[in-house]
Amino acid sequence: SAVISQKPSRDICQRGTSLTIQCQVDSQVTMMFWYRQQPGQSLTLIATANQGSEATYESGFVIDKFPISRPNLTFSTLTVSNMSPEDSSIYLCSVGARSDTEAFFGQGTRLTVV
Amino acid sequence: GQQLNQSPQSMFIQEGEDVSMNCTSSSIFNTWLWYKQDPGEGPVLLIALYKAGELTSNGRLTAQFGITRKDSFLNISASIPSDVGIYFCAGRGETSGSRLTFGEGTQLTVNP
Repeated sequence: SAVISQKPSRDICQRGTSLTIQCQVDSQVTMMFWYRQQPGQSLTLIATANQGSEATYESGFVIDKFPISRPNLTFSTLTVSNMSPEDSSIYLCSVGARSDTEAFFGQGTRLTVV
Repeated sequence: GQQLNQSPQSMFIQEGEDVSMNCTSSSIFNTWLWYKQDPGEGPVLLIALYKAGELTSNGRLTAQFGITRKDSFLNISASIPSDVGIYFCAGRGETSGSRLTFGEGTQLTVNP
């Protein structure tokens, strides 16, 4: 399985500001995924990030709110823009393995917006 | 979109008991994955299933891919206190590419 590191592990942010979350993988991967997990809820896919192309966003998520970068095969960032308290969640990075039939997760970034 | 119904929502059991949880889908899935999430951590993959009828074990954990391809179950035998956590099923449908859909989770509490 891949080793996935996310930074920061947690943060408390003021509303109206933006936070960029970093995801580093110890091996080259084709696809990286960003999920949101609201308090007490399951995981919801935000977008799929492929190297060298625009991220593909799921319904309900837009690039202006959650811009994503994927500069190489081992790294991606997710920015949560113009934050409000409703953005308080755990944000998780995930990568595929075994031809993307399996998925492994980072430890997550716990975001609190005040 | 695809929906996954996971049950039960929560379980309170005594140490040593066996546990069973399941997920059902509104559509056919090609892959079923089972995860465990501890507080403050990301989900950890427990078992992956790739074809209908497949039965796979990982220690005290056993999971099966339903023959209809619309359901899966996870059993934990002889539970221990460290089994406490939230268990999620996740599936990948025929038209979803690499995207996973997650169940709502089962919160497991094990009393010593």
